[in-house]
Amino acid sequence: AQSVTQPDIHITVSEGASLELRCNYSYGATPYLFWYVQSPGQGLQLLLKYFSGDTLVQGIKGFEAEFKRSQSSFNLRKPSVHWSDAAEYFCAVGALRTNAGKSTFGDGTTLTVKP
Amino acid sequence: NAGVTQTPKFQVLKTGQSMTLQCAQDMNHEYMSWYRQDPGMGLRLIHYSVGAGITDQGEVPNGYNVSRSTTEDFPLRLLSAAPSQTSVYFCASRRGQGPYNEQFFGPGTRLTVL
Repeated sequence: AQSVTQPDIHITVSEGASLELRCNYSYGATPYLFWYVQSPGQGLQLLLKYFSGDTLVQGIKGFEAEFKRSQSSFNLRKPSVHWSDAAEYFCAVGALRTNAGKSTFGDGTTLTVKP
Repeated sequence: NAGVTQTPKFQVLKTGQSMTLQCAQDMNHEYMSWYRQDPGMGLRLIHYSVGAGITDQGEVPNGYNVSRSTTEDFPLRLLSAAPSQTSVYFCASRRGQGPYNEQFFGPGTRLTVL
C-alpha cells in the first residue's frame, strides 16, 4: 500500500529565509508525487508534480522539489520565503491505474512566517 | 470557467439529521472524489467516481453515500449525521483516471454535527 509521511507538523521561518519541507513516501514502483498548498479557508492548489524525467522539478510561486529515489523523499524547497507563503502544505502520492488512480495525502505541514 | 464549486460553505446539523453536500465541476473531468480533512490527519478519501454511473469506496466511506448521474455533479449524502462527521469536506476532480493528472479542489464545506 502507498503511504506518505510529512515528519514536520509545524515549521516557523523568518521572512527571507530558505525553506525545506520534508516528504517521505512508501510505494512499490515509480511514484507520482505532488505538492499542494492550502491557504486558510481555501481548497488545495497544486504547486508542482513529478512522475518522470529530471528529478528536480520547478513549480509555481518559486517552489521546487527534488525526487530522491534512494531516500524515498520528495522535499519541497524555496530559497527565500515571503509572508504570503504562510499556509499548510501537503505532499501526495498517486497510484497506478490498477488502483483506480487513488491519491494518498500526507498529514500536512503548517508553515508560519515571522516578519 | 468556475472550476469545482461546493455548496454550502458552512452547515450545522443535529445528530441524526440528513443532508447532501453538493459538488459540481465544469471542466468535463471524468474523475471526481470526496475527501474529509481533520486536524493532524490530512485528507482522507471518502468516495470517488471514475465516470458517470460509476462510484466506489475510498478509505473512510461509512456513513456516506454518493451517486454520479452526470459528469458534472457528484453529491455526497449523509443519511444520519453523527458528531464524528464534524469535519471539512473537499470535493476534487481531475481529467482521466491517470494519477499523474492534477486534482482541482473546491473551496470546501465546513460541517459541524451537534
